Amino acid sequence: QVQLQESGPGLVKPSETLSLTCAVSGYSISSGHYWAWIRQPPGKGLEWIGTISHSGSTYYNPSLKSRVTMSVDTSKNQFSLNLSSVTAADTAVYYCARRGIGAWGYFDYWGQGTLVTVSS
Amino acid sequence: DIVMTQSPDSLAVSLGERATINCKSSQSLLYSSINKNYLAWYQQKLGQPPKLLIYWASTRESGVPDRFSGSGSGTDFTLTISSLQAEDVALYYCQQYYSTSDTFGQGTKLEIK
Repeated sequence: QVQLQESGPGLVKPSETLSLTCAVSGYSISSGHYWAWIRQPPGKGLEWIGTISHSGSTYYNPSLKSRVTMSVDTSKNQFSLNLSSVTAADTAVYYCARRGIGAWGYFDYWGQGTLVTVSS
Repeated sequence: DIVMTQSPDSLAVSLGERATINCKSSQSLLYSSINKNYLAWYQQKLGQPPKLLIYWASTRESGVPDRFSGSGSGTDFTLTISSLQAEDVALYYCQQYYSTSDTFGQGTKLEIK
């Protein structure tokens, strides 16, 4: 069974960089599929942040592209998100997920999510 | 970006009755060469991550009860729950993955009447 688990600080100061990691178990990232970050502000809808392949190819939401960096570590079977220059608008539950097919597809496995609050 | 609009925003249905949620996209999600609609449906219960229910507009994910079905093509899609159960109370989202920047609908809240 594929499982994903997000980890990282729950509180980030404005203008700093949000950093999260998603550990994958039950499936080797090197085997394929694409991996993504999605966020959900409290009480609001879902926003795709970006996608990464096992080889490190990345695809970012144009609205966040200037602030987002994703990376993958196949030796640790995990991938990461950095979001720079955060503001209160970046407060959200951040989910990592697996694409079911290709670089642009539905999300078939999700992590439980981690709440990140941006506040001084 | 492709804009996804769901209707209604909230819905109350009696147990055992049919629930219908609509999703409209600002452009066609049909990739005609393979005759597939790039549309998925998710269920999100309180405090949980979204769960994939339907993909390719009408293919049920493994393990999803057959009371859930998806239909539609092009720009108009529907999620139907044929006989509402108490455990179906949740938020439901549609997602388009046709474009390189996928987007979600705003969500529909389903409650028991």
